Amino acid sequence: DAKTTQPNSMESNEEEPVHLPCNHSTISGTDYIHWYRQLPSQGPEYVIHGLTSNVNNRMASLAIAEDRKSSTLILHRATLRDAAVYYCILCDYSGGGADGLTFGKGTHLIIQP
Amino acid sequence: DGGITQSPKYLFRKEGQNVTLSCEQNLNHDAMYWYRQDPGQGLRLIYYSQIVNDFQKGDIAEGYSVSREKKESFPLTVTSAQKNPTAFYLCASSIRASGVYEQYFGPGTRLTVT
Repeated sequence: DAKTTQPNSMESNEEEPVHLPCNHSTISGTDYIHWYRQLPSQGPEYVIHGLTSNVNNRMASLAIAEDRKSSTLILHRATLRDAAVYYCILCDYSGGGADGLTFGKGTHLIIQP
Repeated sequence: DGGITQSPKYLFRKEGQNVTLSCEQNLNHDAMYWYRQDPGQGLRLIYYSQIVNDFQKGDIAEGYSVSREKKESFPLTVTSAQKNPTAFYLCASSIRASGVYEQYFGPGTRLTVT
């Protein structure tokens, strides 16, 4: 799987929007962009995924650059419960298999009250 | 409630002993996974299984073994051959929807070997 680069940590204030960047300059045409987050002492949870177009769901929005070499996870109004490590992961399903995910170190998001 | 159960939450063992971590899911998912997480690090894939009675090694399978005799269950055995077994172990399952596999994770088992 292609590699992703994320900042080690970011800080934001409660009730403000948060933009979490991810660089994936070696992304292939069949790689999907996934975001997971992990709250302290818990298993990760799925946040959102996309391929080419921007995506919205109840948790967040995903903005994908036109060349697909970077993406941004947007939390529209951060709460203290959003404090977690956020992982940007590329997945290629062209082989058809349910292979495991390759996690980097992610971005540790700190929310200040 | 549908979900993934891992037990126990905390596990303590003496060095040289094998230990089996339990993972059960009632989501009717075909694929299941085991990951290991060390402090301050991301998860690393140990083993995964796409269907019953079949499994593949992940990136760090040495010192571990698995079985998949039932769709709902995917136990992981940490053997005495695993040199640094103390870690946070996470089980996950997935199903294909809209062309992608979304993974659902259990709460994890924190294993300490002394």
